[in-house]
Amino acid sequence: GQQVMQIPQYQHVQEGEDFTTYCNSSTTLSNIQWYKQRPGGHPVFLIQLVKSGEVKKQKRLTFQFGEAKKNSSLHITATQTTDVGTYFCAGPGNFNKFYFGSGTKLNVKP
Amino acid sequence: GAVVSQHPSWVICKSGTSVKIECRSLDFQATTMFWYRQFPKQSLMLMATSNEGSKATYEQGVEKDKFLINHASLTLSTLTVTSAHPEDSSFYICSAQDGGRREEQYFGPGTRLTVT
Repeated sequence: GQQVMQIPQYQHVQEGEDFTTYCNSSTTLSNIQWYKQRPGGHPVFLIQLVKSGEVKKQKRLTFQFGEAKKNSSLHITATQTTDVGTYFCAGPGNFNKFYFGSGTKLNVKP
Repeated sequence: GAVVSQHPSWVICKSGTSVKIECRSLDFQATTMFWYRQFPKQSLMLMATSNEGSKATYEQGVEKDKFLINHASLTLSTLTVTSAHPEDSSFYICSAQDGGRREEQYFGPGTRLTVT
């Protein structure tokens, strides 16, 4: 299946600090999705990026899709304790499938 | 918003028995549902794609005879773990797409399976 790499694996920040997770693919992606999974919960869809170089914002979250459509990033400004969770990117495969990256676990210290 | 339910939320079974997990889309029709497996502190591993009215498509390395998938209606897909072994213990999560379009997936709450 599609290989989507994600870094870092873990990130511990102090509340108020920024956080960024990166997603990389060896092949061009038609689109990429981002999900958040709270501890003990299930993944929740955050956003889908489709266009080359696309940048989308959701409050303190900024999502970018690379010009070559092989990488993407999620940046959180001024983290809060409610941001705690694992953030996954997901790249498409055939027949509407999506393959998830390894995820970045974010811990925010108050 | 779109809601997906899963039942049971957790189950403990003995080795050699079979366990059926249900995934339902409550307020939309899902022509495509996906089954994932997630080990502790790891990512979601796609097991199979379940299409209403047709055979499921399994990912490489997933035993189709062990993980039986049935998508009998537009709102229900089932995963049956046959002859379960302790190594099958895991968190199983289903997801559904509204109308089968390449859009967001709505995830169920997951089922924690423990095989003793």
